Amino acid sequence: SAVISQKPSRDICQRGTSLTIQCQVDSQVTMMFWYRQQPGQSLTLIATANQGSEATYESGFVIDKFPISRPNLTFSTLTVSNMSPEDSSIYLCSVGTKYTDTQYFGPGTRLTVL
Amino acid sequence: DQQVKQNSPSLSVQEGRISILNCDYTNSMFDYFLWYKKYPAEGPTFLISISSIKDKNEDGRFTVFLNKSAKHLSLHIVPSQPGDSAVYFCAASVTGANSKLTFGKGITLSVRP
Repeated sequence: SAVISQKPSRDICQRGTSLTIQCQVDSQVTMMFWYRQQPGQSLTLIATANQGSEATYESGFVIDKFPISRPNLTFSTLTVSNMSPEDSSIYLCSVGTKYTDTQYFGPGTRLTVL
Repeated sequence: DQQVKQNSPSLSVQEGRISILNCDYTNSMFDYFLWYKKYPAEGPTFLISISSIKDKNEDGRFTVFLNKSAKHLSLHIVPSQPGDSAVYFCAASVTGANSKLTFGKGITLSVRP
C-alpha cells in the first residue's frame, strides 16, 4: 500500500482563523479523499479531491468552508476556513485506485479550535 | 440515517480467546465491506475486506463473514492478542460509486493479558 503523510500532525487554532492541511502520497493514486472524525464519532467523508478539477463535496459540506486542491496525483490540501470550536476534529486523507474500493489512510491531523 | 451500524461500543476478551466484532448495514446496494483498525493518534489501518460475492474471507488470524440476507457481517480474531486492543471500524461501499466509504461508529476492543 502507499505511504501517506499529513502535515501538520496536530494544531491548536483560534476561532475565525483558517488552517491548511497537506496530504502527500509516495506514489501516483487515482482517488484521494478527505474525512473528518469528530470526537467520539465515526469517520465522515467530506469530499473527493479530483485532480485538476473542483472537488466533489458530500451533503453538509461546502467549498467555501472546506476548499480543497489537488494539483497532481500525489498531493492534496484541505483548508478549514473561518474555524469554530465545532470544527475540532481529526482530519484524515485517504487514497485509493480505480482497481479496488479499498482505501488507505494517512495518520490524520488533530485540530483543536479554541 | 445510519447505514452502517456497530451497536456494541466495546468488547473485552481474554488473550488467546476469540474476538467477534459485529456490524449491520441497511443499504442493500452495498457490495464491498471492509474492516479497519485504529490506534489512538494514528490513522485507520486496513485489515481485511470482503466482496458480496463471497461469504467468508480469511487472512491469518482475521476472518470476515458476510450474511447478505441478514445484512450482517462479523470480524473474528483468533487467537486474540493484547496488541489487538484498538478501535475497529466496519465500512461499506457500492462498487463503482467513486469508492465512497460509509463507516460505522466503531467498537473498542480490549484484550486482557
